[in-house]
Amino acid sequence: GQSLEQPSEVTAVEGAIVQINCTYQTSGFYGLSWYQQHDGGAPTFLSYNALDGLEETGRFSSFLSRSDSYGYLLLQELQMKDSASYFCAVSIPTGGFKTIFGAGTRLFVKA
Amino acid sequence: DTEVTQTPKHLVMGMTNKKSLKCEQHMGHRAMYWYKQKAKKPPELMFVYSYEKLSINESVPSRFSPECPNSSLLNLHLHALQPEDSALYLCASSQDRNLNTEAFFGQGTRLTVV
Repeated sequence: GQSLEQPSEVTAVEGAIVQINCTYQTSGFYGLSWYQQHDGGAPTFLSYNALDGLEETGRFSSFLSRSDSYGYLLLQELQMKDSASYFCAVSIPTGGFKTIFGAGTRLFVKA
Repeated sequence: DTEVTQTPKHLVMGMTNKKSLKCEQHMGHRAMYWYKQKAKKPPELMFVYSYEKLSINESVPSRFSPECPNSSLLNLHLHALQPEDSALYLCASSQDRNLNTEAFFGQGTRLTVV
């Protein structure tokens, strides 16, 4: 079976840096994605890592270690609008290519 | 145009009704997906279409019937649903199922079965 673990909630203050971790156990692995979802909204793609290392996109960075089955999303210069749920998702070679979402981390940004 | 459009936005249906959810994208994406999302839970994959052919069915009950009439459209036909099927139904598309590209999600149809 497949499993993903991420913290259920994280709280941080505006302007701070927060890291959301994700560990996974899968049979086969293509890559790790991160999605943001505001209440009542649709998931929005943030990043994708297929290879080890850090990918940076503006205030957001994502890291992957395939050997450790571990990744994280780093959010810098937090803003109130970053309050949302963040999902890690693994892409696996089942049925060709399938993406499975973790349970999500709810981020609360305080003033 | 980087949008995935879903209609209707809200739907209330009885357990004996037949209804359809519609999804449309004009990005030239060849992979389209249906996900189901319950409150405070992650999206759960239901179906994957690749080049207009059904490639993944995640053991979804037959009361949900997907259809892909062409490369831009995806439907989900609903029949004899149960109250526990009430959820947000999300459609998504990506360039190709086998490429590591981002998935674009529609805003979803919030379905209530009464």
